Amino acid sequence: DAGVTQSPTHLIKTRGQHVTLRCSPISGHKSVSWYQQVLGQGPQFIFQYYEKEERGRGNFPDRFSARQFPNYSSELNVNALLLGDSALYLCASSLIRGGPSTDTQYFGPGTRLTVL
Amino acid sequence: KNQVEQSPQSLIILEGKNCTLQCNYTVSPFSNLRWYKQDTGRGPVSLTIMTFSENTKSNGRYTATLDADTKQSSLHITASQLSDSASYICVVSPGREYGNKLVFGAGTILRVKS
Repeated sequence: DAGVTQSPTHLIKTRGQHVTLRCSPISGHKSVSWYQQVLGQGPQFIFQYYEKEERGRGNFPDRFSARQFPNYSSELNVNALLLGDSALYLCASSLIRGGPSTDTQYFGPGTRLTVL
Repeated sequence: KNQVEQSPQSLIILEGKNCTLQCNYTVSPFSNLRWYKQDTGRGPVSLTIMTFSENTKSNGRYTATLDADTKQSSLHITASQLSDSASYICVVSPGREYGNKLVFGAGTILRVKS
């Protein structure tokens, strides 16, 4: 079985532009979460989606939005890019939302976004 | 504020040696604690998951311990190998009712040299 896949692997944008990142979860997984990892830091939670609905949101501005499709794949959109948005964006899928509480999240390889 | 702090920030050891990484957390409520291994430029890979009732969990040469009273965890790596060079991240979950918002530590960068 394929693991979590993300596209593109690398992306270079300029300030003010917008970007769309894509994630396909492990087959059968219905929950997708997005994280931002700035160099040298741990990942920061952005969103969680389960059954196509937003189930959790981290402390990120409204420039960040996401959605989940009927096939459980997901997109993360970032508008009006800032230099500080440069980071590794990780997508993680899990079988079901938050339960059992030991449900493991499986991470994709990430998309490296560079904003110039 | 929910926080996870890890120490040391970085560590260099010789191949074959053992090492122990530390994690202190202030996340409340507490559901479970996970250790992940992250290779440079890659996504994290789960090593162990422990609930508050579990004191220790092993995965091959990796052994994690948890003291829920003192809110401390450690990851012990035995007989280190060059491939163990990576960032090791401690992650705490407050539970499903909190939107599964995992709280990540900044990680400990381990370098194993020959």
